[in-house]
Amino acid sequence: GAVVSQHPSRVICKSGTSVKIECRSLDFQATTMFWYRQFPKQSLMLMATSNEGSKATYEQGVEKDKFLINHASLTLSTLTVTSAHPEDSSFYICSATSGQGGGYTFGSGTRLTVV
Amino acid sequence: QQPVQSPQAVILREGEDAVINCSSSKALYSVHWYRQKHGEAPVFLMILLKGGEQKGHEKISASFNEKKQQSSLYLTASQLSYSGTYFCGTPSGGYQKVTFGTGTKLQVIP
Repeated sequence: GAVVSQHPSRVICKSGTSVKIECRSLDFQATTMFWYRQFPKQSLMLMATSNEGSKATYEQGVEKDKFLINHASLTLSTLTVTSAHPEDSSFYICSATSGQGGGYTFGSGTRLTVV
Repeated sequence: QQPVQSPQAVILREGEDAVINCSSSKALYSVHWYRQKHGEAPVFLMILLKGGEQKGHEKISASFNEKKQQSSLYLTASQLSYSGTYFCGTPSGGYQKVTFGTGTKLQVIP
């Protein structure tokens, strides 16, 4: 089945620093990937749609200059949280579809803690 | 608009049944269902593509009523492994981005 690998799984960073999260489709090509954020006991909220070779599309209220998305190849999308603050602490998850079966495959998620 | 799920939470004893509902204020053309265990990413359960379609996955099945803009997930003879938070998801837009429902936390106890 389709596999999406996400790294790192956990990261703790100091306030003001930047963190990069990688999302790779291992056995399929993903022209489109999605980035979600999930706060404790809440649903997943879509942040942006990442498209290979073009600019990402951000959801309303998501700062594109703070959450930089790069989709440089058909198998890799990265999310960089710039100048992180404690309120950015959350569970970040990427997802993609292989086109087989219709559903979306999720990465294992990255738990970001900003101190 | 985020789909609304009901109930918000439910506790079952092993072997009992449950129904989780998902209602959307927008027209639905397909519905996804996912299960997320604590601290993990969601796992895809099934997709329903046509109005009235019902699908099954082990003892978990779902129905889709596009006229009512609703979908329901049925869990029969629940097992401990069914515990988790269930989300419906509604794709939209050209890239079929999925908007997740409010979630239903299901706990199965011995």
